[in-house]
Amino acid sequence: DAKTTQPPSMDCAEGRAANLPCNHSTISGNEYVYWYRQIHSQGPQYIIHGLKNNETNEMASLIITEDRKSSTLILPHATLRDTAVYYCIVRVAGSGGYQKVTFGTGTKLQVIP
Amino acid sequence: NAGVTQTPKFQVLKTGQSMTLQCAQDMNHEYMSWYRQDPGMGLRLIHYSVGAGITDQGEVPNGYNVSRSTTEDFPLRLLSAAPSQTSVYFCASSYSPARQETQYFGPGTRLLVL
Repeated sequence: DAKTTQPPSMDCAEGRAANLPCNHSTISGNEYVYWYRQIHSQGPQYIIHGLKNNETNEMASLIITEDRKSSTLILPHATLRDTAVYYCIVRVAGSGGYQKVTFGTGTKLQVIP
Repeated sequence: NAGVTQTPKFQVLKTGQSMTLQCAQDMNHEYMSWYRQDPGMGLRLIHYSVGAGITDQGEVPNGYNVSRSTTEDFPLRLLSAAPSQTSVYFCASSYSPARQETQYFGPGTRLLVL
């Protein structure tokens, strides 16, 4: 699986958009980008994933650059409840039970009132 | 659905004691896994199972045993607790082994080994 690089921490004002970057310059053509978040003391929560097209769901939007070497997770109107550690993961979807999902250290997002 | 449940939420052990961390899911997921999370180290995979009766080791399996006798349950056993096993333990599941990327996580068990 491709390695990802994320800033260790970011701040965002409440009500503003939070843009969390992720670099994955060694991503392969069949690897997807996944985002999870972990709110303090809770288990990680799946947010969104994509291959090359931008994706949007009720939680967030995912923007992947044309060369797929980086992506941005966008929380359009951050709230205090979005304060969490956000993990960016790249891997092949549907690749079977013997390839393990690896979580790095992620980005700690602090939403400020 | 209750999702993924874990018990206990918190446990204190003495060095050398054994215990079992319970994990259950009611979503009929084939794939289940155990992670430990230590400060500044992200999540590390301990053991995983791709279905009832099938288990395998992850990145950090030493000192832990697992079994998967039913689809719903995936207990993690600490054979002889050590202070290095002080951590937060998360159980996770997904619909199939091919869908690990969309795993559902339990609330965690906080373990302190003295």
